[in-house]
Amino acid sequence: DGGITQSPKYLFRKEGQNVTLSCEQNLNHDAMYWYRQDPGQGLRLIYYSQIVNDFQKGDIAEGYSVSREKKESFPLTVTSAQKNPTAFYLCASSTSAGTDTQYFGPGTRLTVL
Amino acid sequence: AQKITQTQPGMFVQEKEAVTLDCTYDTSDQSYGLFWYKQPSSGEMIFLIYQGSYDEQNATEGRYSLNFQKARKSANLVISASQLGDSAMYFCAMREAWGASGSARQLTFGSGTQLTVLP
Repeated sequence: DGGITQSPKYLFRKEGQNVTLSCEQNLNHDAMYWYRQDPGQGLRLIYYSQIVNDFQKGDIAEGYSVSREKKESFPLTVTSAQKNPTAFYLCASSTSAGTDTQYFGPGTRLTVL
Repeated sequence: AQKITQTQPGMFVQEKEAVTLDCTYDTSDQSYGLFWYKQPSSGEMIFLIYQGSYDEQNATEGRYSLNFQKARKSANLVISASQLGDSAMYFCAMREAWGASGSARQLTFGSGTQLTVLP
């Protein structure tokens, strides 16, 4: 089955620790995205990547880092510099043609203790 | 200024009835795309329907249709014959500069509408 997987589903972190969220897709999509969602709000873009080995900051990139070494994978690291990291994180991917619809993974809920 | 506005934080509809979820947008681009997503309590964002700014007909996907009024900059989602499983958060989103060189293909989301279907 083609799709997007994110792991883990729930993640707990102590203050001051870095943590990496996984995102993998087997849809052969070129572009991948990371969004953050806070309670009762819409999604905000953290980082995106249109091709391998290239990525750009979104609206709220401070305190986050990414890499895109493989087409299928786009991990997100939440660093200790992120002041309020507790949130729901969603990964998405899309083709670079047609309607360019973004399809989402199931999300990771990060809680900082 | 907000690019996507969803003015209804919560909506209720009786099962089997139709419901309209409002979405207005703001852009100066001529080419853009409008999307609706459903987010059930599990959290996953499910793509429902797409409307391109140059599409002359309103988009339809099964029980979902998009009432696109370009001059008013509105893209309301209509769900016909509501089902209990339609209870979820619904988000309207816009992608500007579709296909333009250097386009980020970013989506801008509204704040969502919580739909509850009553038995």
